[in-house]
Amino acid sequence: LAKTTQPISMDSYEGQEVNITCSHNNIATNDYITWYQQFPSQGPRFIIQGYKTKVTNEVASLFIPADRKSSTLSLPRVSLSDTAVYYCLVGLYNFNKFYFGSGTKLNVKP
Amino acid sequence: GAVVSQHPSRVICKSGTSVKIECRSLDFQATTMFWYRQFPKQSLMLMATSNEGSKATYEQGVEKDKFLINHASLTLSTLTVTSAHPEDSSFYICSARETLAGSTDEQFFGPGTRLTVL
Repeated sequence: LAKTTQPISMDSYEGQEVNITCSHNNIATNDYITWYQQFPSQGPRFIIQGYKTKVTNEVASLFIPADRKSSTLSLPRVSLSDTAVYYCLVGLYNFNKFYFGSGTKLNVKP
Repeated sequence: GAVVSQHPSRVICKSGTSVKIECRSLDFQATTMFWYRQFPKQSLMLMATSNEGSKATYEQGVEKDKFLINHASLTLSTLTVTSAHPEDSSFYICSARETLAGSTDEQFFGPGTRLTVL
């Protein structure tokens, strides 16, 4: 599975848009990109998944450039409750295993 | 969305005892479930893949005799930590993939079980 690299941590303020970028230089043709959110002492929660270009749902947008070697999770107007660790995972749409990277700890300040 | 539960949510045990953790998919069937371990301030580490009706597949470095996995039905997988020691204290999380063809591919994670071994 493609290895991912993310910033260890990010700070933001309430109401701002936050963009978290993930590098996956070795992504394969059939790999999808999935982002999860995890709060302390809870299981990860699915945020968004995409293959190319842009995907948007009710909570986030995912931007994937043409070469797919990176992706950016965009969280609009974050609130204090968005303080969490965000994981980027790359793999086949129907692949069997998830290998988590280090994740990005987002700290939203008032 | 699909719901995965874990029981217990928190357990404290004495060193040398065994602890069983259950993972259930509440509203869907899961041929495959996964077990992860997470130490404080660290990422999730995949321990094993639990397959209904067959033996679990363990990741490199995970002792299969230490962490017994049973996937007895399409909605239940159990992880038993045998002869637990303080270094086994961790947050254990399971996840499940839905079995039905055409269903979403995302993995649904349980809420986790905090194990403390005294």
